[in-house]
Amino acid sequence: DAKTTQPPSMDCAEGRAANLPCNHSTISGNEYVYWYRQIHSQGPQYIIHGLKNNETNEMASLIITEDRKSSTLILPHATLRDTAVYYCIVRGHSGGGADGLTFGKGTHLIIQP
Amino acid sequence: GAGVSQSPSNKVTEKGKDVELRCDPISGHTALYWYRQSLGQGLEFLIYFQGNSAPDKSGLPSDRFSAERTGGSVSTLTIQRTQQEDSAVYLCASRRTVSGNTIYFGEGSWLTVV
Repeated sequence: DAKTTQPPSMDCAEGRAANLPCNHSTISGNEYVYWYRQIHSQGPQYIIHGLKNNETNEMASLIITEDRKSSTLILPHATLRDTAVYYCIVRGHSGGGADGLTFGKGTHLIIQP
Repeated sequence: GAGVSQSPSNKVTEKGKDVELRCDPISGHTALYWYRQSLGQGLEFLIYFQGNSAPDKSGLPSDRFSAERTGGSVSTLTIQRTQQEDSAVYLCASRRTVSGNTIYFGEGSWLTVV
């Protein structure tokens, strides 16, 4: 899997949009960008994933640059419950081997009241 | 079930004892993973099961660790002769067999070795 680079921590005011960046400059053509988050003392929670088009679901939006070397996860109206560590992961869909997820250190997002 | 179910949620055991951790994946999911996360650390891959194929055990840290998956569904992770450094949360995850499907995690089993 390609490596990703994320800032170690970010703050965001409650009610504002939280924009979490991720660099994945060595991503290959068949690798997807996945975002998970882990709230303290809980298992990782899937948020969203995409290949090259922007994606939106009930939790967040994912904006992937045209060259696919970076992406941004957007939480449109952050709440205190969104405080968590957010992981950006690139993963191929080859189906071979473990084909699991390699978690880096992520971004610790702190929502301020 | 609706999600990945793990038990026990918390386990305190004495050093040297054996422990078993159970994972019940999402119904219909044939791929199953075990990860370990020590306090303040990232996730560490342990083992992967896919259908009837031989499991990928490349992440198991020592021969005290083993896992099995019976009937292609429930999995048990066994740690023999536990050590204090085994204290961590053990996370199970599953996905459908089709490559590319999202991996879903359970809430983990918190193991404390005293």
